[in-house]
Amino acid sequence: GENVEQHPSTLSVQEGDSAVIKCTYSDSASNYFPWYKQELGKGPQLIIDIRSNVGEKKDQRIAVTLNKTAKHFSLHITETQPEDSAVYFCAASMGAGNMLTFGGGTRLMVKP
Amino acid sequence: DVKVTQSSRYLVKRTGEKVFLECVQDMDHENMFWYRQDPGLGLRLIYFSYDVKMKEKGDIPEGYSVSREKKERFSLILESASTNQTSMYLCASRLGKSEAFGPGTRLTVT
Repeated sequence: GENVEQHPSTLSVQEGDSAVIKCTYSDSASNYFPWYKQELGKGPQLIIDIRSNVGEKKDQRIAVTLNKTAKHFSLHITETQPEDSAVYFCAASMGAGNMLTFGGGTRLMVKP
Repeated sequence: DVKVTQSSRYLVKRTGEKVFLECVQDMDHENMFWYRQDPGLGLRLIYFSYDVKMKEKGDIPEGYSVSREKKERFSLILESASTNQTSMYLCASRLGKSEAFGPGTRLTVT
C-alpha cells in the first residue's frame, strides 16, 4: 500500500519568514495530493491540493509543488503569520474521493 | 456551512468497557470515515462507509467495528476498550473532493 513520509515533524519560524514542509510517497499510481491544516481543538481542514498533471499550484501565500519523478511534494507558506501556527498534514491518494494516506504531520510555530 | 459533529469531545473509559463514538453530518454525503490520530503517525483510517449499511475496513480495523443505519450517522464501536486505544478519534464525511472533519473525540482508556 501507499506510504507517505513527512518532514520535519516540528518547524519554528519567525513571523514574516517562509516555511517549507516536505512529503514523499511510495506508490507511483497516486495522483492526488491534498494538504490539511489542523488548528488546536479542531479537525483538519483542506487548504490546498494538487493533481499529478500539474507541477505547482498557488493560493495567495500558500503554494504546493509536485515532483512526480522523485515522488515528493512540498507545501510552501510565504510571509508567515502567527495564525499560520498549526499542525499540517500531507496526504496522497489515487484520485480525489479515494482513500487518503496521511503523513505524520508537522507542527508549525510562527513566532511573533 | 458544512458540519460534522461528534458526540463527545473528551471521554474516559475503563479497560474492557464497550465504547460508542457517534458522528453526524448534515451534508447528505454518502462517504463517511473514522480515523485515529496519534503523534507522529498522522491520521490512520479505521473504517469507512460509502452507503447506508455498507462498511469497509481501513488500515487498522482490529478492535473496532462500525454501524451505519442512517446516511447521516456513522458510529465507531470499541467492543472491549484497551489502553492502546487511547487516542484522538476523527470522523469525516466526503462527497467527491469535498471533505469535512469533525472536531475529534479524545478517548482515554484507563
